[in-house]
Amino acid sequence: DAGVIQSPRHEVTEMGQEVTLRCKPISGHNSLFWYRQTMMRGLELLIYFNNNVPIDDSGMPEDRFSAKMPNASFSTLKIQPSEPRDSAVYFCASRPGTDKGQPQHFGDGTRLSIL
Amino acid sequence: TQLLEQSPQFLSIQEGENLTVYCNSSSVFSSLQWYRQEPGEGPVLLVTVVTGGEVKKLKRLTFQFGDARKDSSLHITAAQPGDTGLYLCAGVGSNYQLIWGAGTKLIIKP
Repeated sequence: DAGVIQSPRHEVTEMGQEVTLRCKPISGHNSLFWYRQTMMRGLELLIYFNNNVPIDDSGMPEDRFSAKMPNASFSTLKIQPSEPRDSAVYFCASRPGTDKGQPQHFGDGTRLSIL
Repeated sequence: TQLLEQSPQFLSIQEGENLTVYCNSSSVFSSLQWYRQEPGEGPVLLVTVVTGGEVKKLKRLTFQFGDARKDSSLHITAAQPGDTGLYLCAGVGSNYQLIWGAGTKLIIKP
């Protein structure tokens, strides 16, 4: 079975550019999470979708960040304009349902470097 | 606000030694999950503990949930280089979110 698929795996871009990260959750999973991981702050939840609807975006750092889930099989996280402090590994995870006790299944992440 | 403190942050030991990683909180969790993350990959679930006092074993890994469901430990017996990775605990809290520990970076030297 295919797991969570993220693209690109690596992204290097200059400050001020727009960055779009993509995620395909596991088929049938209706909860989707975007996380950011850094050495300093660990794993931080950015936004949570359920049935394609954003439930909580309180973790989104600022207005430069936006996320969409136009359908059950695709989500994007966009940063515009990007800044060096946005450099991190961004993970997408999906979960079968709304039961918070169910495990989250993570993609392999996008390593983002903003120069 | 629910917090989960994980210790140690970093551990480097020789192959064959034993080790324990701790996750502690002042909050009660309905269950707690342990994940392992290898370089260049996302976290992968190892185990979920649900009942206070529960002990689960996964080969040489032993997971325990505290009686009050506020803390958990991971004990590795006779560590091997293949155990190297970042170990994360995550508590299932009062809302839809997982409360994540900061992680323990484990290096097992041959």
